[in-house]
Amino acid sequence: TQLLEQSPQFLSIQEGENLTVYCNSSSVFSSLQWYRQEPGEGPVLLVTVVTGGEVKKLKRLTFQFGDARKDSSLHITAAQPGDTGLYLCAGDSGYSTLTFGKGTMLLVSP
Amino acid sequence: GAGVSQTPSNKVTEKGKYVELRCDPISGHTALYWYRQSLGQGPEFLIYFQGTGAADDSGLPNDRFFAVRPEGSVSTLKIQRTERGDSAVYLCASSADTNTEAFFGQGTRLTVV
Repeated sequence: TQLLEQSPQFLSIQEGENLTVYCNSSSVFSSLQWYRQEPGEGPVLLVTVVTGGEVKKLKRLTFQFGDARKDSSLHITAAQPGDTGLYLCAGDSGYSTLTFGKGTMLLVSP
Repeated sequence: GAGVSQTPSNKVTEKGKYVELRCDPISGHTALYWYRQSLGQGPEFLIYFQGTGAADDSGLPNDRFFAVRPEGSVSTLKIQRTERGDSAVYLCASSADTNTEAFFGQGTRLTVV
């Protein structure tokens, strides 16, 4: 069974701070996706990383895929209250279904 | 609508009852997925349809769970003899094809009392 471990599980910070959340696995994935989920809603795709060592930027969010394609990180610069939500990583083993981590709940206070 | 629609939004049922959860995917999307998300957990894969057929049902927890997609569009997840442990948010997602971006619905919150 492929497992994705996310850390930290919960993060509470002040507006303007920087943060990094991690997603680690002992398995290799063909791609890894990051989602954000708000209460009462389904997850929304933020980014897909495919190549080992790949770095993608989405405004204040920077995503990195490990060289071995087993781990990933999400860094947020100058967090804003609108960034509050559950951040989920999900691995695609190539069979079209996703394995999700438990998520990191981020709370950004004004 | 333009997105994935799930009905009902909330369902409360008594232990032992039968329930059906409906998913309307984005028009034209051939791939459809069901996931289950328990409190404090990430979504857990249940079943994946490509067209009308279940391409992978390895995530269904037991034979009380069944899903259909008879015309390759709308899908129904059926749970027989519900148990309290079935309480969760059931998420549906669709994608234009295999290995393309999946779009999630808002989910159906099932509570078994």
